[in-house]
Amino acid sequence: GDSVTQMEGPVTLSEEAFLTINCTYTATGYPSLFWYVQYPGEGLQLLLKATKADDKGSNKGFEATYRKETTSFHLEKGSVQVSDSAVYFCALSDPASGSARQLTFGSGTQLTVLP
Amino acid sequence: DVKVTQSSRYLVKRTGEKVFLECVQDMDHENMFWYRQDPGLGLRLIYFSYDVKMKEKGDIPEGYSVSREKKERFSLILESASTNQTSMYLCASKYGSSSYEQYFGPGTRLTVT
Repeated sequence: GDSVTQMEGPVTLSEEAFLTINCTYTATGYPSLFWYVQYPGEGLQLLLKATKADDKGSNKGFEATYRKETTSFHLEKGSVQVSDSAVYFCALSDPASGSARQLTFGSGTQLTVLP
Repeated sequence: DVKVTQSSRYLVKRTGEKVFLECVQDMDHENMFWYRQDPGLGLRLIYFSYDVKMKEKGDIPEGYSVSREKKERFSLILESASTNQTSMYLCASKYGSSSYEQYFGPGTRLTVT
């Protein structure tokens, strides 16, 4: 079945540091890939997405590129801020598995940015 | 903006009680979902519904049931709450059957004692 593997957390960085959160996936077909973010006390919200190979999703200074050859979708940001402190989830939706409506989530990575 | 609301932010129940968690969305979405979120496990799908009165089991349906009598409302029911159902419960909704964004509610932190 489909699965998503994220790097273990928690991750603690100083403000303005470079961020990478690794995400790899296994899927039956050609999934769409997502990064969701959960700020403290809130539900998840979509951060960015990519629907086909080599697409780059970007939002709020975050970027991730859909790499089919390495089955990866790593999240990056060049200069993090304290306000980026949150839990980040990698997810996929795979029509080939018969569950296009559903999302398969990784375990989440807690990011803390210190001033 | 899409809004997904959940009936309670925090809930404390006793073992054996019947528990109802309510979720309402205001964007006429066909699909609605219930997840539970546990540290180190991410989000796991309990049940989802793609239309009124329709439901499908997710990855961990045991101990839960759902009800969808109206398009905007999706209820999660714990028939007899147990301590291992202590968790954060998240509701989400989505338009259509293809790979579109899911919109999440703020979550209900349920503690079963």
